[in-house]
Amino acid sequence: ELKVEQNPLFLSMQEGKNYTIYCNYSTTSDRLYWYRQDPGKSLESLFVLLSNGAVKQEGRLMASLDTKARLSTLHITAAVHDLSATYFCAVDNPTQGGSEKLVFGKGTKLTVNP
Amino acid sequence: EAGVTQSPTHLIKTRGQQATLRCSPISGHTSVYWYQQALGLGLQFLLWYDEGEERNRGNFPPRFSGRQVPNSSSELNVNALELEDSALYLCASRQWGAVETQYFGPGTRLLVL
Repeated sequence: ELKVEQNPLFLSMQEGKNYTIYCNYSTTSDRLYWYRQDPGKSLESLFVLLSNGAVKQEGRLMASLDTKARLSTLHITAAVHDLSATYFCAVDNPTQGGSEKLVFGKGTKLTVNP
Repeated sequence: EAGVTQSPTHLIKTRGQQATLRCSPISGHTSVYWYQQALGLGLQFLLWYDEGEERNRGNFPPRFSGRQVPNSSSELNVNALELEDSALYLCASRQWGAVETQYFGPGTRLLVL
């Protein structure tokens, strides 16, 4: 059974600082997604990572994928308050009998303080 | 282009009642996915429909069921509601076989009293 673990689950950081969120998964997959969720809202797609070594950047966020290590990272550069949200990684498991369900990590609640 | 829409936005029911949640996918998307986000349990996969058929379901009891109609819209039905069914129910859509992300709707918040 595919398991996805994120850490840390809670992250409080100061504006201007850098930090990395880690996402580990238990079985082979080459599809990894990052989402953002604001309180009471739905999920907003941030990144789609489809191959080993993939790196995507958008503003102060950069995501990477290492399929051999089964690890993805979401790096935050020079954090600003607007980045405060919960970030989820999710892994697609299309090899499991045609399953295309997303398996989510528990999420990292990021708070950026002035 | 319109995104995924869900209705109602909020739903209050009492234990034992039935709830029906609706989802309209992005135009052209044939796959519809349902997820439950309950407090403390995270996001869990419920059901996946494509071309009118149930393709996969998560570890939920049979009282969670649904259907997909020819225009790809979908309904999620929850029978014999229990208190722990209180959650945010999210619908997502994607073209089957595509590797792009699943696009999520705004969700229906179900409260069971």
